[in-house]
Amino acid sequence: NAGVTQTPKFQVLKTGQSMTLQCAQDMNHNSMYWYRQDPGMGLRLIYYSASEGTTDKGEVPNGYNVSRLNKREFSLRLESAAPSQTSVYFCASSEPWNPRSENEKLFFGSGTQLSVL
Amino acid sequence: KNQVEQSPQSLIILEGKNCTLQCNYTVSPFSNLRWYKQDTGRGPVSLTIMTFSENTKSNGRYTATLDADTKQSSLHITASQLSDSASYICVVSAWSSASKIIFGSGTRLSIRP
Repeated sequence: NAGVTQTPKFQVLKTGQSMTLQCAQDMNHNSMYWYRQDPGMGLRLIYYSASEGTTDKGEVPNGYNVSRLNKREFSLRLESAAPSQTSVYFCASSEPWNPRSENEKLFFGSGTQLSVL
Repeated sequence: KNQVEQSPQSLIILEGKNCTLQCNYTVSPFSNLRWYKQDTGRGPVSLTIMTFSENTKSNGRYTATLDADTKQSSLHITASQLSDSASYICVVSAWSSASKIIFGSGTRLSIRP
């Protein structure tokens, strides 16, 4: 049982290059998320997918696109990387939030450290 | 505006000592509060969850408290070990949608032998 798996672990891009971060979970969770973590700041939500076939913008979606390929996989794409996108990116999954759920817990991957030069 | 603030930003203590980390929040409507531990180079891992009706919850040497009236939480670590060196993140969820999960910026805890 691997949990949440992210690839790659490290990536260096030049400004304007594109790339896709991959994420897969084997816990049969409906909800998946992409966050970025910058020094001195809390994790910020880029996009999330409450269920297969749906995606929604989070707090900082500009410059990113996502694809919920199936229930297991949720990818994040940078079409034209910028230095401001240098960050550590985390994928997470959870059971879907609902008003009666008090046990929503996020399971995180180990992160992708991205540098844009 | 929904916010989660943690203090101190960083803390260094000797192995075996106790410490307390603080979290203040202004998230509304409040659903639950979690403390996560994040080791260097890893993703956060949930330690405890507190709901509105709970005041104290323990997980081994970790004890979390919640005061819903003052909107404050604390994480107390007893008899610290070197493996406790990590960032501790306070996360508050609101009753509205899956996207309303607000992260604090964390407290970086270093345990010295």
